[in-house]
Amino acid sequence: NAGVTQTPKFRILKIGQSMTLQCTQDMNHNYMYWYRQDPGMGLKLIYYSVGAGITDKGEVPNGYNVSRSTTEDFPLRLELAAPSQTSVYFCASSYIGISNQPQHFGDGTRLSIL
Amino acid sequence: QQQVKQSPQSLIVQKGGIPIINCAYENTAFDYFPWYQQFPGKGPALLIAIRPDVSEKKEGRFTISFNKSAKQFSLHIMDSQPGDSATYFCAAPYSGSARQLTFGSGTQLTVLP
Repeated sequence: NAGVTQTPKFRILKIGQSMTLQCTQDMNHNYMYWYRQDPGMGLKLIYYSVGAGITDKGEVPNGYNVSRSTTEDFPLRLELAAPSQTSVYFCASSYIGISNQPQHFGDGTRLSIL
Repeated sequence: QQQVKQSPQSLIVQKGGIPIINCAYENTAFDYFPWYQQFPGKGPALLIAIRPDVSEKKEGRFTISFNKSAKQFSLHIMDSQPGDSATYFCAAPYSGSARQLTFGSGTQLTVLP
C-alpha cells in the first residue's frame, strides 16, 4: 500500500515557466489537499477537493490551479512560476464521513524558482 | 480563518527529559485535534489525536492534554529519546466545508543523547 505518492521529489524552475506537481493516493480517500510549507511557517492550504470534479480554494491559492478528474489523482499546476513559490509542497488525503480520519501526507516536492 | 499559536519554536532536551509543546486555538466547529511528527525530508505523519470530550489521551510515551475552556492543548513526550528529534505540528479543525485543518508553525525538537 503506497499511500500518497508525489512526483517529482525535486524540481528547479526558471521564472515564468510552468509545471504540474503530481499527487496520487491509493486509499480511496474522498478528500485531498495541497499545502505549501515554508520555513517556520507551518503548512498553508492552497487548494482542496472533496471528491472527483469538485475543488475549492484554500488560504493561499493565488498562482496555482488544480483539477480532480478521478478519486486517486489531484495534480497542482503552476502556470507562471515566481520566486515566491519556492517552497516544499505536500499533498494529503483523508476520508471525511461520519467518522473523520486523519490526513495522510506524501513526502513532498521541493521546488525552487530561480 | 482559524489561528493556531504553537510554542516554543524550538526545544532542546536531554535524553529522558519531558519536552512539552503548547498550542492555542481560537474557535472550532469540529472535534478532532491532531499532532503530526515530521522528520527531515519526509511528510508530516499523524502522531496522536484527541477529541475535546476528554481532557487527556496517552499513546505510548506521547500524551495530549486538552483544556477546552482555555482553548489550549499540549503534547508531552515522556522519557524522550534521540529518535524523537523531529518537528512537531499541532492542528485544529477549521470551520470550513472541507473539514480543513489549520496547522501551528511547528516546534523543532532536539533530544540530546
